[in-house]
Amino acid sequence: KTQVEQSPQSLVVRQGENCVLQCNYSVTPDNHLRWFKQDTGKGLVSLTVLVDQKDKTSNGRYSATLDKDAKHSTLHITATLLDDTATYICVVGDRGSALGRLHFGAGTQLIVIP
Amino acid sequence: EAAVTQSPRNKVTVTGGNVTLSCRQTNSHNYMYWYRQDTGHGLRLIHYSYGAGNLQIGDVPDGYKATRTTQEDFFLLLELASPSQTSLYFCASSEWGTNSDYTFGSGTRLLVI
Repeated sequence: KTQVEQSPQSLVVRQGENCVLQCNYSVTPDNHLRWFKQDTGKGLVSLTVLVDQKDKTSNGRYSATLDKDAKHSTLHITATLLDDTATYICVVGDRGSALGRLHFGAGTQLIVIP
Repeated sequence: EAAVTQSPRNKVTVTGGNVTLSCRQTNSHNYMYWYRQDTGHGLRLIHYSYGAGNLQIGDVPDGYKATRTTQEDFFLLLELASPSQTSLYFCASSEWGTNSDYTFGSGTRLLVI
């Protein structure tokens, strides 16, 4: 059973618009949550990591929230650029240790058009 | 610059063939991982290692062997490749486990015909 669900599956926005990506999960325990960006045909690049029960992070035009009570995270991208076109992957780590596992969502494909 | 380098970038083999995927990291990380990525699925862990000579079984290990020959090098072996192993394979490294930064390679696309 999929433990990390991302929505929407795909999203098209115009350059300059803002967008919000959602991640719901059932992983237990939930030590931390990461958002990765994957350009087509490339590896994953970490955007941010959230750790606290209710956490917020900001990394340039990317900002993210985590609510562990709701097992829900969002990734906000403001003033999108063409280079933001990529797949964004939500990953939940069940333990903050070598014994832990990462649980990957299937990703949201974002397409930014001129 | 610290990196994870995978080779080859693309590989085509026939059913029953023998394939080795290579991964080298220059991060001085202890942990290395092999994942597969299939459309509609998240990355799935095949095997991982926490040091030279060590091997741990992941979540989808059937049909795969792996070997960690040095701190830097981690290999994934498909000894009797099947079409179900057609996938995009990623290698990654991390310093000490899931709560440390991960570095991913660029992937190897494998086609088994």
